[in-house]
Amino acid sequence: DTGVSQNPRHKITKRGQNVTFRCDPISEHNRLYWYRQTLGQGPEFLTYFQNEAQLEKSRLLSDRFSAERPKGSFSTLEIQRTEQGDSAMYLCASSLWEDVNEKLFFGSGTQLSVL
Amino acid sequence: ELKVEQNPLFLSMQEGKNYTIYCNYSTTSDRLYWYRQDPGKSLESLFVLLSNGAVKQEGRLMASLDTKARLSTLHITAAVHDLSATYFCAYSKGGGSQGNLIFGKGTKLSVKP
Repeated sequence: DTGVSQNPRHKITKRGQNVTFRCDPISEHNRLYWYRQTLGQGPEFLTYFQNEAQLEKSRLLSDRFSAERPKGSFSTLEIQRTEQGDSAMYLCASSLWEDVNEKLFFGSGTQLSVL
Repeated sequence: ELKVEQNPLFLSMQEGKNYTIYCNYSTTSDRLYWYRQDPGKSLESLFVLLSNGAVKQEGRLMASLDTKARLSTLHITAAVHDLSATYFCAYSKGGGSQGNLIFGKGTKLSVKP
């Protein structure tokens, strides 16, 4: 499978716990994005990387959120001290900067439920 | 404020009928995207529209862009059940990150026999 891969698919956690999600982009893609989607809404941009550099962060990304992309390959998104409001689908996407369309390819997402 | 308004938000149509989904966006942008999402699945890219007057067609779907009116449309011709899904439009903030997209709330399409 050469698409964007996300793990885990589902995560249930208790409020206050830390969680970490992983995204493996399409191998030749140099840009990687994290989005969040709640029920009945469109995805909301969180942050993006070009290679290993985190170039932009949304105001939605509070201090409890941190994302990394070591070596410009896979990325992790960590949420510390989870709150019920963090419950959402977390989507990862990747793209090729040189592509004039910069079409984003999305993964299947990680569904987070905070109890 | 950066925002995208889609209408309608819900659309129930019969097979064989035509309909149009409208997408208005708030600021100038040099690209507009349409995505499809099936329940519980991720987003599938349908169209990328890069310039004023751009029109793209794939099967029963045709998308167009009017940058002056800040309006994009997704036209459905002779709908079939397989087109049932949620359709999102999104525009790019542009600048250094074309992938920082502002999405609409989506139009949930249900095609009935």
